[in-house]
Amino acid sequence: DIQMTQSPSSLSASVGDTVTITCRASQSISTYLIWYQQKPGKAPNLLIYAATSLQIGVPSRFSGSGFGTDFTLTITNLQPEDFAIYYCQQAYRTPLTFGGGTKVEIK
Amino acid sequence: QVQLVQSGAEVKKPGASVRVSCKASGYTFTSHHINWVRQAPGQGLEWVGWVNPQNGDRGYAQKFQDRVTMTWNTAMSTAYMELSGLRSEDTAVYFCGRANWGIDYWGQGTLVTVSS
Repeated sequence: DIQMTQSPSSLSASVGDTVTITCRASQSISTYLIWYQQKPGKAPNLLIYAATSLQIGVPSRFSGSGFGTDFTLTITNLQPEDFAIYYCQQAYRTPLTFGGGTKVEIK
Repeated sequence: QVQLVQSGAEVKKPGASVRVSCKASGYTFTSHHINWVRQAPGQGLEWVGWVNPQNGDRGYAQKFQDRVTMTWNTAMSTAYMELSGLRSEDTAVYFCGRANWGIDYWGQGTLVTVSS
């Protein structure tokens, strides 16, 4: 199975900050990388697919980068509604696997 | 608009089985795989398996291979996930999701509680 490792597991930031979350795959997954946002009691919400493509309706302050094994989710100008948990997921092969999550908290 | 609506919460005893349904609307049901993902309380996301309603292909995570069955009813645009031999560690919210460059639409989740 492909292991997905996210870092950090949590971070504190202020409104207006830029935050970066990284995700590392245990083997190359090309650009088969997805990012989700999840808020308490809700289903995850797709933010980025194919490593860099913004899902329709997602604000442009979210961006993704990376290829192979190392990927990044960047949120610029952090907004109050962005405080949530973020997960990466590889879609290269089954079993689909997720990172452990990064909790973005208010400083 | 695309919607996935899941069945309600379940409480089961250890050893029992549970079946969760996922009714899709707003798109052609057979044009997308359905994935099932679970989330234990306070934990991360865990993929359970997928089914292709168009041709019947399906795949399950190894740890669920001998306990899970995923089916569907095309006429009702509904997918089902049945998990047998329930144990306390299976207590989780189970989500269905439409596969499309990731999982682009999710059900609201079904809480399955396993308790004696």
